[in-house]
Amino acid sequence: EAGVVQSPRYKIIEKKQPVAFWCNPISGHNTLYWYRQNLGQGPELLIRYENEEAVDDSQLPKDRFSAERLKGVDSTLKIQPAELGDSAVYLCASSLKGTSGINEQFFGPGTRLTVL
Amino acid sequence: GQNIDQPTEMTATEGAIVQINCTYQTSGFNGLFWYQQHAGEAPTFLSYNVLDGLEEKGRFSSFLSRSKGYSYLLLKELQMKDSASYLCAVRPRGGSTLGRLYFGRGTQLTVWP
Repeated sequence: EAGVVQSPRYKIIEKKQPVAFWCNPISGHNTLYWYRQNLGQGPELLIRYENEEAVDDSQLPKDRFSAERLKGVDSTLKIQPAELGDSAVYLCASSLKGTSGINEQFFGPGTRLTVL
Repeated sequence: GQNIDQPTEMTATEGAIVQINCTYQTSGFNGLFWYQQHAGEAPTFLSYNVLDGLEEKGRFSSFLSRSKGYSYLLLKELQMKDSASYLCAVRPRGGSTLGRLYFGRGTQLTVWP
């Protein structure tokens, strides 16, 4: 069974440029998460989807970040314009359903973003 | 808010036993998770506790005390491949954060030969 797929794996851009990350979750997983992980820190949730609905986006900096999950499968996270402080690893995860039980989250390999 | 605390670094030798502690303060509680993350890789699930007590899974065990807001991950018969960051994560109960995981900053474990 394929795991969570993310692309690109690495991205280097100059500040003020736009950038987009793509995620394909595990087949059949209704819940999709985007996390940001800064160096030496744990992942922090940016947004959580149940199917195509964003049910928890309180941590998403909406002035520059946007996300979508059309058709409730793949998802795209965009930053426009990027700032130096956005340099981090952006992780996508998926699970069957987000609220109870073990409901293990499976993480993708992440996209390492460097903003110069 | 959520507050999760775990040591930044630990070291141990091959074959030894190591215990990684995690304390937490959360508004409501609906489970505690441990994840392993090797450098440059994705976190992978290790264990889940929602009731008090010890959960054992091979060389790894995890303990939870809800009244103390405390958990530990116990790694036995350490191997070099166990060198990684170990992340403690708490899932609160209810409200707008239903389903969200709050992660600690991770404990970097180095296993020496």
